[in-house]
Amino acid sequence: GQQLNQSPQSMFIQEGEDVSMNCTSSSIFNTWLWYKQDPGEGPVLLIALYKAGELTSNGRLTAQFGITRKDSFLNISASIPSDVGIYFCAGYGSGGSNYKLTFGKGTLLTVNP
Amino acid sequence: NAGVTQTPKFQVLKTGQSMTLQCAQDMNHEYMSWYRQDPGMGLRLIHYSVGAGITDQGEVPNGYNVSRSTTEDFPLRLLSAAPSQTSVYFCASSQDRSIAKRSDTQYFGPGTRLTVL
Repeated sequence: GQQLNQSPQSMFIQEGEDVSMNCTSSSIFNTWLWYKQDPGEGPVLLIALYKAGELTSNGRLTAQFGITRKDSFLNISASIPSDVGIYFCAGYGSGGSNYKLTFGKGTLLTVNP
Repeated sequence: NAGVTQTPKFQVLKTGQSMTLQCAQDMNHEYMSWYRQDPGMGLRLIHYSVGAGITDQGEVPNGYNVSRSTTEDFPLRLLSAAPSQTSVYFCASSQDRSIAKRSDTQYFGPGTRLTVL
């Protein structure tokens, strides 16, 4: 099946620093999604990307849909303590996998005040 | 709207027991799905449904059954629980899967934490 490789696995940063994480795949994805999960909660959608090359922002978050349709990145600027959590990339593939959302393994973000 | 609700929040089973995890949504969403989340594995799709009466397998369907008799409900059944099914289970729903409508945002429930002894 389709797989997403997400990196880094974890990050420890100081408050105020910028953060970057990315996802890559060996196959093409038609939609890229970025989720954040707080402890004990379900994932919450942060940004959705629908076209190759698309760059979308949501407050301090910026994400891009790679031109090759096989990768995406998420940037967080000027991190704050409430950014702590697990960030997941996810995507819908093409053809028969159009209804199946594939998730990366997540990036655990820790922000030191 | 309550969104996506899941019950129970926590459950402990013995090997071989059966149980049903409940999921309901009040947003009239067509698409519903079940994921399991294990440490270091991200979320993996178990089963999904694109509408009432229609279900299909995801990435890790073995040991689980689903049915979709109504738009609102999508229960997940474990017929004979095994320790390998210890996990956190999330149900999700979205309006539909049409990229053209850009309405495939999936809303997740709060999860059910299942331990199988």
